[in-house]
Amino acid sequence: ETGVTQSPTHLIKTRGQQVTLRCSSQSGHNTVSWYQQALGQGPQFIFQYYREEENGRGNFPPRFSGLQFPNYSSELNVNALELDDSALYLCASSLELAGHEQFFGPGTRLTVL
Amino acid sequence: LAKTTQPISMDSYEGQEVNITCSHNNIATNDYITWYQQFPSQGPRFIIQGYKTKVTNEVASLFIPADRKSSTLSLPRVSLSDTAVYYCLVGRLMDSSYKLIFGSGTRLLVRP
Repeated sequence: ETGVTQSPTHLIKTRGQQVTLRCSSQSGHNTVSWYQQALGQGPQFIFQYYREEENGRGNFPPRFSGLQFPNYSSELNVNALELDDSALYLCASSLELAGHEQFFGPGTRLTVL
Repeated sequence: LAKTTQPISMDSYEGQEVNITCSHNNIATNDYITWYQQFPSQGPRFIIQGYKTKVTNEVASLFIPADRKSSTLSLPRVSLSDTAVYYCLVGRLMDSSYKLIFGSGTRLLVRP
C-alpha cells in the first residue's frame, strides 16, 4: 500500500509568483485535506476536497485554491505569493469523510523570498 | 470545534511513563478526542482516538473522564524516538465539512 506522497520536497519562489504543489493520496482514499504549517506552530487547515469537490475551507484568502482529480490526487495553487506564505504545506488523505484518522504526507517546504 | 489547551513542553527520561493532559472544556456531545504525533520535518501521525473512558492501542492509552472536559494521553516506557510534538484535537466524526484543528501541541523531550 502506497502512502501519501507530495512533490516537490522543497521549493523557493519570490514574492508575487505563483506555485503549484501536488499530492497523491493513499490508495483507496477519496478525501484530501491541505494544511499550512509555519515554523513552530501546529498545522492550519486550508481546505478539503471530497470526490473532486471542495468540502470545507479554513481562513485562507481566495488566492489559495485547489483541485482534486478523478484519481483523487490533488493540487494546491497559491497565487501572488507573499513572504508569510513561507511554510511547510501538508497534504493528508482519509477514507471517505472519517477525517479523524488522516494520513499525512511528508510535506513541501515552500520558501518565499 | 472545541478549543484545546495542553502544556507547551514536557521533559522525561527513557523508560518512564509520560502523561500529557489536554483540556477541552467546551467539548460537544458528538465530539471525539484525537491525538497526533509529529516529528520534525514530517507530517503528523495519528496515535489514538476516543470518546469516553479508556482506549488502548499498541502505542498509547487515552483516558477520558466522565465529564469529557479533559483527556490524558499516556505513553508507556518512552524512548528517545518518542521525542516529538503531540497534538490533542477535538472534533466531530463524519461531519460533512470536517477539518482537523491543531493547536500548538506539546513538545516532548525524552532524555537518555
